[in-house]
Amino acid sequence: EAGVTQFPSHSVIEKGQTVTLRCDPISGHDNLYWYRRVMGKEIKFLLHFVKESKQDESGMPNNRFLAERTGGTYSTLKVQPAELEDSGVYFCASSEGRAGKAYEQYFGPGTRLTVT
Amino acid sequence: AQSVTQPDIHITVSEGASLELRCNYSYGATPYLFWYVQSPGQGLQLLLKYFSGDTLVQGIKGFEAEFKRSQSSFNLRKPSVHWSDAAEYFCAVGSTNTGGFKTIFGAGTRLFVKA
Repeated sequence: EAGVTQFPSHSVIEKGQTVTLRCDPISGHDNLYWYRRVMGKEIKFLLHFVKESKQDESGMPNNRFLAERTGGTYSTLKVQPAELEDSGVYFCASSEGRAGKAYEQYFGPGTRLTVT
Repeated sequence: AQSVTQPDIHITVSEGASLELRCNYSYGATPYLFWYVQSPGQGLQLLLKYFSGDTLVQGIKGFEAEFKRSQSSFNLRKPSVHWSDAAEYFCAVGSTNTGGFKTIFGAGTRLFVKA
């Protein structure tokens, strides 16, 4: 069974540019999460999708970040325009929808974003 | 507010020695607790979890953790460390709200293993 995949693994962009990160969850997982780790800080929650709906987006830092999950499958996280403080590693995770399994999150390898 | 504290930023142990990584949490209800490991170039891998029941939890790779409610702790242990255990370890608590779920992570402890 394929795990959670993320693309790209690395992205280097200039301040003011736009970047789109992609996450493909494990097939059949209704729940999809985005997290971010800024250098030297904790991994922080960004948002949670249940299928194609945003269940909780309380962790999104500002309106320069836009997450979508078209059709309830893969998800994208767009940063526009990127700022220096957006640099970090962006993790995606997914979990099953059924009770008792929703809390077992499987994480992808992350996308390292560097804004210069 | 929920939080997780890992007081040790990094720890160095000798190969074959025992290991204990500390974790304290703050959470109002019975917590869902996790330990994750991240090896270089890899994603976060779940080592073990505690939801309820036996407070001593066994995980993968020979790790175990003990939930102590009175101390709000969930320390990770391994009796004999291998060089391949060198990685960063994250303690985390699961938080539920408005039907959603999110994981709150500690800052991580980086483990170095010396020969």
